[in-house]
Formats: sequence, structure tokens, C-alpha cells
Amino acid sequence: DSGVTQTPKHLITATGQRVTLRCSPRSGDLSVYWYQQSLDQGLQFLIQYYNGEERAKGNILERFSAQQFPDLHSELNLSSLELGDSALYFCASSRLTEQFFGPGTRLTVL
Amino acid sequence: TQLLEQSPQFLSIQEGENLTVYCNSSSVFSSLQWYRQEPGEGPVLLVTVVTGGEVKKLKRLTFQFGDARKDSSLHITAAQPGDTGLYLCADHPTLNFGNEKLTFGTGTRLTIIP
Repeated sequence: DSGVTQTPKHLITATGQRVTLRCSPRSGDLSVYWYQQSLDQGLQFLIQYYNGEERAKGNILERFSAQQFPDLHSELNLSSLELGDSALYFCASSRLTEQFFGPGTRLTVL
Repeated sequence: TQLLEQSPQFLSIQEGENLTVYCNSSSVFSSLQWYRQEPGEGPVLLVTVVTGGEVKKLKRLTFQFGDARKDSSLHITAAQPGDTGLYLCADHPTLNFGNEKLTFGTGTRLTIIP
């Protein structure tokens, strides 16, 4: 158990819909990272927040957005979903050089 | 954009055998990390190597960082079913405090047959 929690575990939805994925970092960790893992693209960095502020952005689509709240939990919002958005979405939090990953949310878009 | 290629993509061997998997980068690593990801779980950090030529051992796992810091290998001795998983190398921008996004390799999916 990494100490990072993600909900929900699984999510099945239809094209065009909007979903929200939630992440709670390990106690005391200020950084939250979001990654997407798909069969064709592998594990890719989406976005990082540090203590409530956006710190770095990767290959995140404009249809996707995230935020980190004062209690340090984070949410990843995915809108106008397409079939290709089906993937595993991981959240991680960090301390020094180690990132601790949550168990992921498996998103299936039908 | 840094590209990290791992080989082989898939590897299936018998319990007790030895194996080596590889990670090659299109550019010099800041620091290199190896992760193992088991089905239904997120990646878990195995090791971080920073210095060219560095060798680290973790029980039956030996990690080697190339002298030019552009490649790495992971050697497993006497593989066990518990070693089954997806092995990922990653570049970690150690000196870029506050912006430690990981760039992951393509992965090696390892299956150890009992």
C-alpha cells in the first residue's frame, strides 16, 4: 500500500460524457502528479500540482483539466470523452526523489 | 523529446533462470529509475541510479547504469514467480526541484513460469 488513494477503481461511461477522478496523496506530500497509461502510448505524464498550484504540464489534452484543493487532494476532470481516452489513470505523490503511485482508475469509454 | 526504448518488449522464462532487460535513451538521463508494476497496481520504485557506471544490487536484482548515462540494464538472478510484472525505466529530473515529472520507457512485460 503506497498510501496514495484513488477513486473510483473502475469507471465505465459513454462518448461525450464528463468524468472526475479523485486522488488523495500520502500524508505530508505536497506534490501530486497525474499519469495516463494506455497500450499504445505507455505511461505518460499529464500534469503536476504542488501545494495547490500547477507546476508542470505534459501531453494533457485541452479537454482534460485538474486541480488541487487546500486539503491537497486532487481531481482530474475529463470531458467530451472519446473512445481513445480509455486508459488507466494514475495519481502519484512525491517526497524527495521518490514518487508513490496510487492503484489507478481504469476508465472505459464505450 | 526524450525517447526511452526498452527491450525486450515481452519475456517469458522458467523459474530459476537468469534474465537481463535493457533501457536505452535518446538523450542523457538526469537520473534513472527502475519501477515494477504488478497487475492492478501502480508502479513501485525499485532503484535510482545517478552516476555513470554505477551498479546497484537489490537482493537478486542487479542494476547497471551505462558509462555515458544513456542506457541501463536490469539483471535478475534465479527468477521467481514473484518477479512477474511490467518493468519500467524512467528519467527523473533530480536537479529540477519542484518539477519532477517522470518520463517512462516503453516497458518490458516479464512472466516467470513456475
